[in-house]
Amino acid sequence: EIVLTQSPGTLSLSPGERATLSCRASQSVTSNYLAWFQQRPGQAPRLLIYAISTRATGTPDRFSGSGSGTDFTLSISRLEPEDFAVYYCQLYGSPPRTFGQGTKVEIK
Amino acid sequence: EVQLVESGGGLVQPGGSLRLSCAASGFSFSDHHMNWVRQAPGKGLEWLSYISSTSSNINYADSVKGRFTISRDNARNSLFLQMDSLRDEDTAVYYCAKSVRNGWLIDYWGQGTLVTVSS
Repeated sequence: EIVLTQSPGTLSLSPGERATLSCRASQSVTSNYLAWFQQRPGQAPRLLIYAISTRATGTPDRFSGSGSGTDFTLSISRLEPEDFAVYYCQLYGSPPRTFGQGTKVEIK
Repeated sequence: EVQLVESGGGLVQPGGSLRLSCAASGFSFSDHHMNWVRQAPGKGLEWLSYISSTSSNINYADSVKGRFTISRDNARNSLFLQMDSLRDEDTAVYYCAKSVRNGWLIDYWGQGTLVTVSS
């Protein structure tokens, strides 16, 4: 079973700043089945990015995904007020379809 | 518009059972694989179970294998999760989640139903 470790646990930034979130796999991921979800307080998660770098319908272009092997990154170029939330990465190929533990992006 | 509406949550004693339902609309339910994911209070997301569109392929997380059973009724556009031998650590919001057509990627989530296991 591949374990996903996200860092940092909490990112304190100001609106307009750039956010860089990390998702590290315990072993090399040979497929591109890596997704990112956003969860705002009191809401269900929402798909942001899939196949490592493809934006889902409705995802603003300030969000970008990258990576390969064991290291994956979600970048938010300029934080908007609605981007302060918790972000989860997930491997959605072979089961178990593990989530990372999440990174909270909070207002500094 | 895709809608996933979970129901059946509530308070149950340790060792008890509960059956969750998810009513789907706004898409061709029988063409899509489905999932259950949960989130304990203040914690992260935990994938629990997957069922293919025809129920021919089913997977579970180790944490619920042997205790939880996923099923679906394509004629009623409904997904179910039978939860038996419930434990305190099963307390969570349970989400029904839809996968893309012919794929495993989750693209829509319901709003969740809260299950509390406590004596």
